[in-house]
Amino acid sequence: GNSVTQMEGPVTLSEEAFLTINCTYTATGYPSLFWYVQYPGEGLQLLLKATKADDKGSNKGFEATYRKETTSFHLEKGSVQVSDSAVYFCALSDNYGGSQGNLIFGKGTKLSVKP
Amino acid sequence: DAGITQSPRHKVTETGTPVTLRCHQTENHRYMYWYRQDPGHGLRLIHYSYGVKDTDKGEVSDGYSVSRSKTEDFLLTLESATSSQTSVYFCAISGGGADNSPLHFGNGTRLTVT
Repeated sequence: GNSVTQMEGPVTLSEEAFLTINCTYTATGYPSLFWYVQYPGEGLQLLLKATKADDKGSNKGFEATYRKETTSFHLEKGSVQVSDSAVYFCALSDNYGGSQGNLIFGKGTKLSVKP
Repeated sequence: DAGITQSPRHKVTETGTPVTLRCHQTENHRYMYWYRQDPGHGLRLIHYSYGVKDTDKGEVSDGYSVSRSKTEDFLLTLESATSSQTSVYFCAISGGGADNSPLHFGNGTRLTVT
């Protein structure tokens, strides 16, 4: 079945460091790929998405490119801030029972950014 | 915020008791979902709804039932709570459609079964 594997955390970085969180997937067909972010005490929020191969999603300085040849969707940011501290989830769409909106999530990667 | 309210926000209950969690939306979205979040597991889909009175099972549906009698409300019921159902429960909504309309999440309900 479809699945998402993302790097285990926690990841601890200093402010202004470069961030990469790896995400690979297994899927049949052509799923859409997503990154969601969860701040403490809150629900998940969509950070960015890509719907087809070679698409690049971007938002708030974060980027991820849909690589079909390597089945990857790694999240990157050039210079992290303390406010980026959160848990990041990679996800893919799965046409589950006819619905287009169901998602399969990775286990999440906790990022802590130190001043 | 996407107009999603979960209630209660926190609940402590005893093993064997029934529990109902409520999700209320003001967006008139067609799709509603219940997920549970557990350390080391990420989020897992429990049940979802694609319209009033139309529901289906997700990955971890055993021990849970749902109902949707109105577009705006989606209820999750644990008929007889067990300790393994201690978790944080998230409701999500989506407009659906072929463009994979993103999910919007509520702030969660933390349930503890003692």
